[in-house]
Amino acid sequence: ETGVTQTPRHLVMGMTNKKSLKCEQHLGHNAMYWYKQSAKKPLELMFVYNFKEQTENNSVPSRFSPECPNSSHLFLHLHTLQPEDSALYLCASSQDLPTGGIEKLFFGSGTQLSVL
Amino acid sequence: AQSVTQLGSHVSVSEGALVLLRCNYSSSVPPYLFWYVQYPNQGLQLLLKYTTGATLVKGINGFEAEFKKSETSFHLTKPSAHMSDAAEYFCAVSGMDSSYKLIFGSGTRLLVRP
Repeated sequence: ETGVTQTPRHLVMGMTNKKSLKCEQHLGHNAMYWYKQSAKKPLELMFVYNFKEQTENNSVPSRFSPECPNSSHLFLHLHTLQPEDSALYLCASSQDLPTGGIEKLFFGSGTQLSVL
Repeated sequence: AQSVTQLGSHVSVSEGALVLLRCNYSSSVPPYLFWYVQYPNQGLQLLLKYTTGATLVKGINGFEAEFKKSETSFHLTKPSAHMSDAAEYFCAVSGMDSSYKLIFGSGTRLLVRP
């Protein structure tokens, strides 16, 4: 148990569906992240939120829409996805270092997404 | 700008043998370096990290890594592999100028033969 909980663990959706991924952290961290993990590719940082404000959007297509209502919850809203969007989506959180930079990321177990 | 290269997408060792997973980095500022492990159907867990100070860093489960600035390397080692070490290992770099970016390598899958 890392203190970061993701639901659902598995999701199968058609290309016309709308679904949402949920992430919750119980660690009191100020920053939350969405990463995409595809086979044979490095982890791709998608979005970063710091104190509910989006500080990073790594050229992610608009069919992925993040939402951070408070510093403990993070959502990823999905609509009109493509089969190539099938991947493991990982949520993470961290706490700033006083000197700058990240000390460590705490990851959830991920949502395995399949787009048919 | 920062980047990470992990040499070898798969490494296979016998149980009890030395584990060596290679990581080279590129960073324009003093780096923070990390090794994460991912077991099947799980998220990533931190094994160890280097920020400042001692260049030989000890982590969990008997792993250690040495920061070598002259070689821009941060290789992960363990003297004796155990079956439970079979997993995917990711090297990552961050730095004081990139507060929220942790750049990951492609990962190395460690296979442990009985």
